[in-house]
Amino acid sequence: GAVVSQHPSRVICKSGTSVKIECRSLDFQATTMFWYRQFPKQSLMLMATSNEGSKATYEQGVEKDKFLINHASLTLSTLTVTSAHPEDSSFYICSARDAGTSGGYEQYFGPGTRLTVT
Amino acid sequence: AQKITQTQPGMFVQEKEAVTLDCTYDTSDPSYGLFWYKQPSSGEMIFLIYQGSYDQQNATEGRYSLNFQKARKSANLVISASQLGDSAMYFCAMREGGGGGADGLTFGKGTHLIIQP
Repeated sequence: GAVVSQHPSRVICKSGTSVKIECRSLDFQATTMFWYRQFPKQSLMLMATSNEGSKATYEQGVEKDKFLINHASLTLSTLTVTSAHPEDSSFYICSARDAGTSGGYEQYFGPGTRLTVT
Repeated sequence: AQKITQTQPGMFVQEKEAVTLDCTYDTSDPSYGLFWYKQPSSGEMIFLIYQGSYDQQNATEGRYSLNFQKARKSANLVISASQLGDSAMYFCAMREGGGGGADGLTFGKGTHLIIQP
């Protein structure tokens, strides 16, 4: 099956710094990638949708200037958390959509990145 | 109103028994997809099963089946012959639209399933 990787798997940063998270589709081209956030013991919440070569679409309540998304190629999307604060500590998960498939196999999730801001 | 409702925060089931995890959804879009994912403590999201709104038959994948009742807007997951390794969080999710677009998934709050020996 298709594989999506995320890097890093865990990151600890100090308040006020920026952190970049990478999401890669390893064996397929992903025209669309999604970024989700999951707080402890809660559900996944869609943050934004990124399409290769265009600006990301953010969900209501998500600050686009704080969560910068770049989808520069068909296999890579990055999420940069700028000026991170402790309340940004969360589990960030990306998924990549294989435009060549349909049905339930259309989205493949990465393993997630656990961000801790101290 | 919540788009995906999972009413069972936690469930304890004896090993080898069948278990049903409830999910109801709300959408006015005639075309949608329903998903179930398993999330073990490691955090990865493991795809289990999918049901399209126009699919005539209930989806099945090995020990997993989806009891799709469209009129009731219900998409319950049934796990037959439960195993200790089935212990995890289970999320029901929905994609609205035909899938040809770039629609992310809306997730329910999840059910924490614990299989007891």
